[in-house]
Amino acid sequence: ILNVEQSPQSLHVQEGDSTNFTCSFPSSNFYALHWYRWETAKSPEALFVMTLNGDEKKKGRISATLNTKEGYSYLYIKGSQPEDSATYLCAPVEGRRALTFGSGTRLQVQP
Amino acid sequence: DAGVTQSPTHLIKTRGQHVTLRCSPISGHKSVSWYQQVLGQGPQFIFQYYEKEERGRGNFPDRFSARQFPNYSSELNVNALLLGDSALYLCASSLSSRSETQYFGPGTRLLVL
Repeated sequence: ILNVEQSPQSLHVQEGDSTNFTCSFPSSNFYALHWYRWETAKSPEALFVMTLNGDEKKKGRISATLNTKEGYSYLYIKGSQPEDSATYLCAPVEGRRALTFGSGTRLQVQP
Repeated sequence: DAGVTQSPTHLIKTRGQHVTLRCSPISGHKSVSWYQQVLGQGPQFIFQYYEKEERGRGNFPDRFSARQFPNYSSELNVNALLLGDSALYLCASSLSSRSETQYFGPGTRLLVL
């Protein structure tokens, strides 16, 4: 079972602030890393699938980077908006096994 | 296009009972995965099925079983329910493998009393 750590556990920011979260995972036997956004009362929504060391992905104001050698990924949100309030989950894939989700970072953006 | 659908949305059972949860994947998706999510934790992998065959199983007891039908829909069965089985059960579909983007349904919230 992979040990996946996400930090911080929760975050409160003001509208317009930029923020970032960390996902740490074992670097051995890495295959892929998924990021999901999960809003209350909705289904988890896929943000990115990253596979290569040094990968950078962007979707609107949200971007992510990946370092497979040291086993971490950062998710950045530029100019946070209240609609960004959600739990952000990362899920590395070891070998070709199942996604192992972290406990998530809960983001609350105050207007 | 319809997304992943799950039924029922909520369910209350008592200890020792059996439950069946259902999932219909996105049209064209042949893989279905099941996850259990308890409060404060991320979803935990239970099963993956692809083309009606089990492709992976998480660290869950044999009370948990699943199957996939020819139309790629899936059922998750849990026997001899325990209080600790109370959770949100999520189904996700993908085109083929677990490493691809998975599309989640709204979940079934199970309460065991």
